Amino acid sequence: GQNIDQPTEMTATEGAIVQINCTYQTSGFNGLFWYQQHAGEAPTFLSYNVLDGLEEKGRFSSFLSRSKGYSYLLLKELQMKDSASYLCASFNNQGGKLIFGQGTELSVKP
Amino acid sequence: GAGVSQSPRYKVAKRGQDVALRCDPISGHVSLFWYQQALGQGPEFLTYFQNEAQLDKSGLPSDRFFAERPEGSVSTLKIQRTQQEDSAVYLCASSLVQGAGNTIYFGEGSWLTVV
Repeated sequence: GQNIDQPTEMTATEGAIVQINCTYQTSGFNGLFWYQQHAGEAPTFLSYNVLDGLEEKGRFSSFLSRSKGYSYLLLKELQMKDSASYLCASFNNQGGKLIFGQGTELSVKP
Repeated sequence: GAGVSQSPRYKVAKRGQDVALRCDPISGHVSLFWYQQALGQGPEFLTYFQNEAQLDKSGLPSDRFFAERPEGSVSTLKIQRTQQEDSAVYLCASSLVQGAGNTIYFGEGSWLTVV
């Protein structure tokens, strides 16, 4: 089966750091994507991890542990514009498609 | 722009009406995907094309849903005899080739409301 879990919502303060966790149990796993989606807009690509470890890209970092079926997205120096839904998605090599979690709605407060 | 383009952006259909949603992928992208996204949920996979071949349609919820990509570029998702539970955002996405590590780019979606 395919199962991806992430928290439904999180709140954080402007300037702070927040970590959004994602656990997955998927067959044919071949990589983990994170997307950002503002209300009414297209999901936009943030990061891709296929090997264990941390990938850093500016204020955003993403981590993957394949043995634990676990990933997280780390957002530093939070800005108000970071308020959005963050989607964790597993790449399924048996169909070439992304399987998404329900998304984590992040609210950044002043 | 050079992104994935979808039309119409908003569609209100009466129950029982047929609708057609269009997707223009990024030029040269081989892979094309359709997803359905309900409010407050993540996108759910519907179907996948590689060029004109529909390789996976396992996510289509019923035989009222049909997708095509006859010339390997533009794709149309058709929903026949729409029902209220079909109300959702329909997202189209494309990638250069199939395979892990190839970024999948999404359009802004077609918002369908069935009344």
